[in-house]
Amino acid sequence: QQQVKQSPQSLIVQKGGISIINCAYENTAFDYFPWYQQFPGKGPALLIAIRPDVSEKKEGRFTISFNKSAKQFSLHIMDSQPGDSATYFCAAARADTGRRALTFGSGTRLQVQP
Amino acid sequence: EAEVAQSPRYKITEKSQAVAFWCDPISGHATLYWYRQILGQGPELLVQFQDESVVDDSQLPKDRFSAERLKGVDSTLKIQPAELGDSAMYLCATREQGTSPLHFGNGTRLTVT
Repeated sequence: QQQVKQSPQSLIVQKGGISIINCAYENTAFDYFPWYQQFPGKGPALLIAIRPDVSEKKEGRFTISFNKSAKQFSLHIMDSQPGDSATYFCAAARADTGRRALTFGSGTRLQVQP
Repeated sequence: EAEVAQSPRYKITEKSQAVAFWCDPISGHATLYWYRQILGQGPELLVQFQDESVVDDSQLPKDRFSAERLKGVDSTLKIQPAELGDSAMYLCATREQGTSPLHFGNGTRLTVT
């Protein structure tokens, strides 16, 4: 059962443009929604995260928008740069089990063209 | 900055052989996870430890996979016997506690021939 659905699978953006990646979740028990960035041959690295008590969080060029009623959240990368070219994963975790293991989306491969 | 250390970085093994991966967490990180990442997909949880205890191994194929964290510090994941479908990146991730950020190692890339 895929609990976190991510789209698009791949994305090509021009330098300076806005990259938008979307995720939808099914389990209303999820209460923590991070985004991870992964470069080839490396492990995922935390980029930014949000909790459902806020609708938006911004850190530098990266913004998460969260829609609790629609069970959707998205990552916006403003002024996209070639160095942002990587695979991005959304994820979700639930508090009720006490385990807080992350469930990941399937990933979006972003290519920023110079 | 402290890192999660994993070894080996790459492992090639033949089908039916045994293979083991090692993870050394960031000092003080009590919670440790092993994830498997098939090429082109997101990481999938295999097992979670809290100190030396297994918290969740519901997704671990226990007929061939085993994991241990004997002293609550470093951890080993073993596959015996390896199958072709086990080819993937095996990632270790650790966190200090509860809701603190999760830190991943750079993984072990396993190829089973």
